[in-house]
Amino acid sequence: GAGVSQSPSNKVTEKGKDVELRCDPISGHTALYWYRQSLGQGLEFLIYFQGNSAPDKSGLPSDRFSAERTGGSVSTLTIQRTQQEDSAVYLCASSLAPGGQGDSPLHFGNGTRLTVT
Amino acid sequence: LAKTTQPISMDSYEGQEVNITCSHNNIATNDYITWYQQFPSQGPRFIIQGYKTKVTNEVASLFIPADRKSSTLSLPRVSLSDTAVYYCLVGGRGGFKTIFGAGTRLFVKA
Repeated sequence: GAGVSQSPSNKVTEKGKDVELRCDPISGHTALYWYRQSLGQGLEFLIYFQGNSAPDKSGLPSDRFSAERTGGSVSTLTIQRTQQEDSAVYLCASSLAPGGQGDSPLHFGNGTRLTVT
Repeated sequence: LAKTTQPISMDSYEGQEVNITCSHNNIATNDYITWYQQFPSQGPRFIIQGYKTKVTNEVASLFIPADRKSSTLSLPRVSLSDTAVYYCLVGGRGGFKTIFGAGTRLFVKA
């Protein structure tokens, strides 16, 4: 079956512009995550959606970042007034059950590489 | 969430067995141990998961001692294509976020 799909794969934008990044999780997966990975660094947690519960937004670095998940499926990460330090790869993952643990590991997309000029 | 500690990097040669150890001293009773592999320009990929003792699949083995305060990922006869970053995660079921540490960068030489 299809894996996690992210679009666009690459995005170049000018400083100050808004961008939207899309994630299509695996069908039936209730949990969805967004991570950010800067060059050569580990993964930085951003936000977590689980079913109809309120999302865990504790990893969002500023109020310029927001995310939504419509109908429990597709998610969009929005960055307003982009800054150069926002340049990174934004990864989306989904899992069948909460937390990505137990017998439900995370399935990742290949990310969106965002470059802010 | 249990914190994990891994070596920052490791070097090996083709055909050798590689063991990467992860420390997780404050692991909770219901926590599982999961390892992921990440190649450049790709998202991490699930390798193996265990709770206690030993787990083996077609890719790797995972050794977990009785106290569960550490775990060792074993990659048999590595090849150049095993060059990647390996992440150890510890956590249990429930609605919590999954946090990745810095991982171990494995470099396999010819």
